[in-house]
Amino acid sequence: DTEVTQTPKHLVMGMTNKKSLKCEQHMGHRAMYWYKQKAKKPPELMFVYSYEKLSINESVPSRFSPECPNSSLLNLHLHALQPEDSALYLCASSQDSSGGAGTQYFGPGTRLLVL
Amino acid sequence: GENVEQHPSTLSVQEGDSAVIKCTYSDSASNYFPWYKQELGKRPQLIIDIRSNVGEKKDQRIAVTLNKTAKHFSLHITETQPEDSAVYFCAASIEGGTDKLIFGTGTRLQVFP
Repeated sequence: DTEVTQTPKHLVMGMTNKKSLKCEQHMGHRAMYWYKQKAKKPPELMFVYSYEKLSINESVPSRFSPECPNSSLLNLHLHALQPEDSALYLCASSQDSSGGAGTQYFGPGTRLLVL
Repeated sequence: GENVEQHPSTLSVQEGDSAVIKCTYSDSASNYFPWYKQELGKRPQLIIDIRSNVGEKKDQRIAVTLNKTAKHFSLHITETQPEDSAVYFCAASIEGGTDKLIFGTGTRLQVFP
């Protein structure tokens, strides 16, 4: 399996809802990432997990809560989001035993709309 | 920290012509430079990458060149086809360093038949 998968593909939620985004990879990669991408902009790093531990948090608001249950799974829990949080949320993974970002492979993303 | 600039922001070419996209980076410690292609509504896909121990890499119609002294790298697409139309992002990172991949601002390439 050489893919990163994400569910759901689309999500519409109200500002008081709680929802979760899921990401899965079975490539044995040691690092997993969450990115946020607005239209016509590059992906913007949110979180990095390395060997199932949170290694980077790019000062993301606490209404976004990441979780890495095991080496293949990455979740992003959403609570009390704002309309400006509407975006494409991308998961990625990489395998670089020497450390560093290495080659990152992206999932198809979850397109989130906050009403 | 690292900063990656990318030019041009848009590029229109006739089918069969060549396209060149240029990026500059600021951190001389950066040693890994991937290029991603993102079609509308799709995921970014790695199309080619280069490490700082080489100056050029080719894969069929795509090539990347790296000038470490000037801290810039370029993507070259020859014999462009309409299916090459997409947004292209360059990026830079430090292998053996942090897990951060710093992206350029993107180039929207349009190939007209």
